[in-house]
Amino acid sequence: DAKTTQPPSMDCAEGRAANLPCNHSTISGNEYVYWYRQIHSQGPQYIIHGLKNNETNEMASLIITEDRKSSTLILPHATLRDTAVYYCIVISTGNQFYFGTGTSLTVIP
Amino acid sequence: SQTIHQWPATLVQPVGSPLSLECTVEGTSNPNLYWYRQAAGRGLQLLFYSVGIGQISSEVPQNLSASRPQDRQFILSSKKLLLSDSGFYLCAWRRQNTGELFFGEGSRLTVL
Repeated sequence: DAKTTQPPSMDCAEGRAANLPCNHSTISGNEYVYWYRQIHSQGPQYIIHGLKNNETNEMASLIITEDRKSSTLILPHATLRDTAVYYCIVISTGNQFYFGTGTSLTVIP
Repeated sequence: SQTIHQWPATLVQPVGSPLSLECTVEGTSNPNLYWYRQAAGRGLQLLFYSVGIGQISSEVPQNLSASRPQDRQFILSSKKLLLSDSGFYLCAWRRQNTGELFFGEGSRLTVL
């Protein structure tokens, strides 16, 4: 599975959009981009995933570049409860999820 | 709806003692099951996964073992715990070969 690169930490003001980037320049055609987050002392929580098209659900939006070499997770109106570590994972169907170190997002009041 | 439970939630064990962590999934059949470990301040490490009863794949050689005696039950064990086994253990399930992972609440193990 393709490796991903994420910034180790980010801050975001409460109520503003949080844009979390992920680079996956070696992604192959059958690999999906998944995003999870882990709030302290809890198990990771699925957020969203996509293959080529941009995706949106009740939690977030996922923007994938046309060449699929990078993506951005957008939390449209960050709240204090969005403070967590966010993991970007690239994986093909049937393979296993390997989590990196992710981005530690701090939402500031 | 599907649910996943693991227990115990917290455990303090002396070095050299045995370990058994249990995980069960409800509301789905033939799931893929996973054990992850997270050491303090570290990322998640995949330990074991299983695609069916009695089928276990190990990712990291160590003194831990896993078993799947029933379709929706996954057990993590050790005969003799080491200090380095301390951590936050997470069980997860996934529909066969598709879709996202769903995690349990986690079991925090402290080995003294």
